[in-house]
Amino acid sequence: DTGVSQDPRHKITKRGQNVTFRCDPISEHNRLYWYRQTLGQGPEFLTYFQNEAQLEKSRLLSDRFSAERPKGSFSTLEIQRTEQGDSAMYLCASSLTSGGYNEQFFGPGTRLTVL
Amino acid sequence: AQSVTQLGSHVSVSEGALVLLRCNYSSSVPPYLFWYVQYPNQGLQLLLKYTTGATLVKGINGFEAEFKKSETSFHLTKPSAHMSDAAEYFCAVGTGGGNKLTFGTGTQLKVEL
Repeated sequence: DTGVSQDPRHKITKRGQNVTFRCDPISEHNRLYWYRQTLGQGPEFLTYFQNEAQLEKSRLLSDRFSAERPKGSFSTLEIQRTEQGDSAMYLCASSLTSGGYNEQFFGPGTRLTVL
Repeated sequence: AQSVTQLGSHVSVSEGALVLLRCNYSSSVPPYLFWYVQYPNQGLQLLLKYTTGATLVKGINGFEAEFKKSETSFHLTKPSAHMSDAAEYFCAVGTGGGNKLTFGTGTQLKVEL
């Protein structure tokens, strides 16, 4: 059973650099979500896709952030011109819409440290 | 708009004692409610969920929670704590259709011998 996977697990970068994270959802899951978790806080919603369409974006997702899911399978989250405030755990989750509530399965996260 | 309040950022119990983690929510629509557990440097694992039906929900590892609409609460309990229960616990509320989740700030559970 392959769950949600994320790559890399850890990323250290210098302020001003661009970074890209990848999320591979559970096979055949049509929804994919990105959350950000800072130290001592719960995860905060960033955006979600249904297939390749990005259906909702949080106000937390500034212009420096962009997410894609080009073929409705894996997704990438890019942060341009990183700032120290971007340091956080970035969590990906996926779900299958089948009526009722669609349970989200989370990946292990990518921990970003901006120096 | 939805919000979740978890009372007590840190809870400490003795092994074998009752675990009670508190969660109150605010939602403009009938809520879907969840408890997740997070171990260090790992993602979130679903413990249990309330969507519809029975208000007492049983989850994995002996945990359960009761949805009380009149109190807007969804407290998590376990009769007897085990050392392996030490982790961070998050309560979350979701809208119908399974869109974004809104999480509380978490409760760190410590289990002592």
